[in-house]
Amino acid sequence: DGGITQSPKYLFRKEGQNVTLSCEQNLNHDAMYWYRQDPGQGLRLIYYSQIVNDFQKGDIAEGYSVSREKKESFPLTVTSAQKNPTAFYLCASSILGFSKTDTQYFGPGTRLTVL
Amino acid sequence: AQSVTQPDIHITVSEGASLELRCNYSYGATPYLFWYVQSPGQGLQLLLKYFSGDTLVQGIKGFEAEFKRSQSSFNLRKPSVHWSDAAEYFCALNKYNNNDMRFGAGTRLTVKP
Repeated sequence: DGGITQSPKYLFRKEGQNVTLSCEQNLNHDAMYWYRQDPGQGLRLIYYSQIVNDFQKGDIAEGYSVSREKKESFPLTVTSAQKNPTAFYLCASSILGFSKTDTQYFGPGTRLTVL
Repeated sequence: AQSVTQPDIHITVSEGASLELRCNYSYGATPYLFWYVQSPGQGLQLLLKYFSGDTLVQGIKGFEAEFKRSQSSFNLRKPSVHWSDAAEYFCALNKYNNNDMRFGAGTRLTVKP
């Protein structure tokens, strides 16, 4: 089955620690995205990547970092510089990424809690 | 500026009743509009999308949406709600390209038995 997997489903972090969230897709999509979801605020774009070895900041990139070494993988690191990291994180992918008719498909999400 | 507005934070309907979830957008050119559904603790699933052509769009799970340019709306409808439809629903707009997708704040649907 083709799809997007995110791991872990739940993640707990102590303040001051970096943590990396995994996102893998086997849909052969070029573009991948990371969103943050907070209650009552919808989804906000953190980073996106249209091609391997290239990525761009979204609306709320501060305190986050990403890499795109493989087409299938787009890990997100939440650094200690992110002041309020507790949230639900969603990864998405789309075929191309530069067309507004391109549909984004989402993974199941990772809930990060900072203790 | 807010691109997508979902005026209703929470809606409760009885099972078997009809449903309409509202979505208003602000964008001068042709919008590309989507409805997604999210079950608790899960990712988003695409229900339907509108790009052009027929303004009444059919989606999965018996949902449909109607694009009304004059009202800047893209409301989601279902004739008869099932208990399994209880979830959060998000309207989204692509303005320029896929890297500028704007989501509404969501509407949580509760279904009464």
